[in-house]
Parts: sequence; structure tokens; C-alpha cells
Amino acid sequence: DAKTTQPNSMESNEEEPVHLPCNHSTISGTDYIHWYRQLPSQGPEYVIHGLTSNVNNRMASLAIAEDRKSSTLILHRATLRDAAVYYCILRDFLGNYGGATNKLIFGTGTLLAVQP
Amino acid sequence: DVKVTQSSRYLVKRTGEKVFLECVQDMDHENMFWYRQDPGLGLRLIYFSYDVKMKEKGDIPEGYSVSREKKERFSLILESASTNQTSMYLCASSIGRANYGYTFGSGTRLTVV
Repeated sequence: DAKTTQPNSMESNEEEPVHLPCNHSTISGTDYIHWYRQLPSQGPEYVIHGLTSNVNNRMASLAIAEDRKSSTLILHRATLRDAAVYYCILRDFLGNYGGATNKLIFGTGTLLAVQP
Repeated sequence: DVKVTQSSRYLVKRTGEKVFLECVQDMDHENMFWYRQDPGLGLRLIYFSYDVKMKEKGDIPEGYSVSREKKERFSLILESASTNQTSMYLCASSIGRANYGYTFGSGTRLTVV
């Protein structure tokens, strides 16, 4: 499985944008980039995913580098409720039905602290 | 919304007991997963299933087994609980495509004494 590298922790101020980086230099052409976050005392929550193009949804935006070796999760206006661990994970789209390629392998993620 | 429901939020069991952790999802997902989460070690995959009666070992299957008799239900079994199985256990489900997210349950915090 291709690996991702994220900073251990980041800090942000409330109502400011946050850019969470992820490096995935060994990404393959069939890997989707997924982001999850885990709030304290909860299970992980899906945030966004993308393949090549930048993506937006109600929670965040995902900017993917042209060579796909890095990506950035963007929270446009951080709130105190966004304080969480954010995980960047690669998921192989060739694993279409079962098999080892269809599982998510979590790294240690980035702990985001949001200051009021 | 998709819901993944884990039967217990907190459990305390004795060493040597057989423990069942239950997980139910309501969106007809093919894939279901069991993870455990420990401080400093992150989430580690124990077992997963991509269809009824099908199962695959994850990264740390030792000491665990699973059962999937119905599509919506995936059970994790600790055959003889030990103190090193004290952990947060998380169940997840997904359809079988990489361009689709997982939905996780809220977790079961198991303490083995």
C-alpha cells in the first residue's frame, strides 16, 4: 500500500482558513486520495476524496497537485468543532470487490488544534 | 444518513471470557470492517468482509475471529479475552468501490480485567 506523510500537529485560529498538507510521493495512477477526520471520542468521519481534479463539498476542499504526489485539505473557515485528527489515506480503485486493495490503512494523521 | 451501529459503547469483561462485539449497518453495504485503535498506534485493521460469509484477515487478526451471517451484521469475537485486547474497537462499512467513503460507528471501548 502506498504511504502518506502528514505533519503530526497544526494550529489554527477560529474563522481562519486551514491548509492541511499530505505527501504521497509513491501514489499510483489508480489510487484515490481520501480524507477522514476523527473528533474526540468518536469514530472517523469521511470528509472528501479525489483522484486528479480539485474537489469541493460542504465540509472542505481538496487540492491535488498536478503530479498527484501531494494534496491539501482546505477548511475555509475553521471552527472550534473542526478540532480533530485528520487522516489522509490512499485507496486503490482497482480493488473493486473485496481483496486487500479495498481496505483503508490509517496513518497517525494530523492533530488540528483551533484556538478561539 | 447511513448508520453504523455498534451494540455497546462501553464493555468490561474478565480475562478468559468469550466476547462478542456486534455491528449493524442499514445501507446494504457489501464491505464491513473491524479496526482497533490504541494511543500511539492509530487505527489497525483486524478483519474485513466483502460479502456474506466471506472474511479476510487484516493486519492484526491474532486472537480474534469474525462472523457475517447476514449482510447487515458483522460480529467480532474475542475467543478468550486478554488484557492486551483492552482497546477502542471501531466498525465501518462501505460499498465495494474505492471512490466511496467508509462510514464508521461510534466505537466500543472494551476493558478486559
